[in-house]
Parts: sequence; structure tokens; C-alpha cells
Amino acid sequence: DADVTQTPRNRITKTGKRIMLECSQTKGHDRMYWYRQDPGLGLRLIYYSFDVKDINKGEISDGYSVSRQAQAKFSLSLESAIPNQTALYFCATSVRGTGELFFGEGSRLTVL
Amino acid sequence: DQQVKQNSPSLSVQEGRISILNCDYTNSMFDYFLWYKKYPAEGPTFLISISSIKDKNEDGRFTVFLNKSAKHLSLHIVPSQPGDSAVYFCAASPWDMRFGAGTRLTVKP
Repeated sequence: DADVTQTPRNRITKTGKRIMLECSQTKGHDRMYWYRQDPGLGLRLIYYSFDVKDINKGEISDGYSVSRQAQAKFSLSLESAIPNQTALYFCATSVRGTGELFFGEGSRLTVL
Repeated sequence: DQQVKQNSPSLSVQEGRISILNCDYTNSMFDYFLWYKKYPAEGPTFLISISSIKDKNEDGRFTVFLNKSAKHLSLHIVPSQPGDSAVYFCAASPWDMRFGAGTRLTVKP
């Protein structure tokens, strides 16, 4: 089983719909992140959390919200999806001090 | 405003030769640099890192060089193998990780 699990792996939705992407990890890491990948832009940071009570905005947080339900769970929500949020989304975890991120397999979201 | 830039979208090399992937950054607060490798339909995986107090770090066939004055780092793969074909991302961090756009490396047999 993967250490960082994302659900769903693929989702097609319509403009204006609410969508949630979930991430759970069994690595015991405190830090969790949400990135989106777009062609030519690489990975851009949406939100990150250094522990359950700590949530921080990344480069591109507008239109997104997050919830850190537990140390092992970090969810990303799009309250009203729009087509330019079509992307590949990655959850990642890390341990303080190493800088190394461990990524999930990605969630491909298409907003029509 | 991309603080980490990989200006070459793609690179093709022959098996056995050296692959050199380049990365530039603008933020002098970055103190830790990493390279990640990504295969299709998988998440990125960590490859090698370097702290700003060093100028070189080597791990087997992979070496990362850091030139702080030029705000430039590079990844050398010697010898290149077909299994190295992937997208390589450069990343930099003081606390949150910022990534470049990636370079697609193709190693031809």
C-alpha cells in the first residue's frame, strides 16, 4: 500500500460544483502539502500544514481551502470549481528538517 | 513570479553519455535545494539534495552542483541510462518547497 494515498485518482466535474480531494498518510509525518501541476508551470504550492493546528497559504491559494482533520489527513476543497482549476493535484508529506517531500500518486481533476 | 526556473523543457542524450540539467533561482533566502524525478502516472520522487553550505553533493551516478553567487544549480547524470528518462524537477526551500517547471530527459539507447 502507498504511504501517501490520494482519493479520488480521477474526477470529472462541472463548473460551479464543490469538489474535495482527500489525502491520507501512514508515514507519521507532521508536515503535509497540496500542489498542483500544470504543463510548463511545474508544481505550484497551494497550501501547507506543519501540524494539525497550523495551516498556511502557498503561492496559489485563491479558490481553494484545506482542512487538516488529523495528523494523517489533509483535504483540499474547491468550493465552486472553474475550468482553469483543471490540473493534476499532488499531496505530499515531509519530516521537519529534511526538506524531502514524499508524494502521493496524484489526483487528476477535470472541470468542464 | 517563478522563483525557481528550469529554462530547458527537454533534453535528449545518448545512453552512456552525460546528462546535465540546469536550474536557476532568484530568492537568496533559499538554503536547501533538491532534485525530484517523475515518471508518468506517478508522483515525483526525491533524487538528491544539497545544502547552501556546500557546492557539490554526489550520490552514485548523480551529482548536484551549487553556484550560490550565480544562483544556479545543476544535476549531472553519468553515465545516463534509458531508465533515467523522466521529468526532472528542481526545487528550493527555506521552509516551503518551490519547484521549477521541469525538464523532460530522454536517454536514447
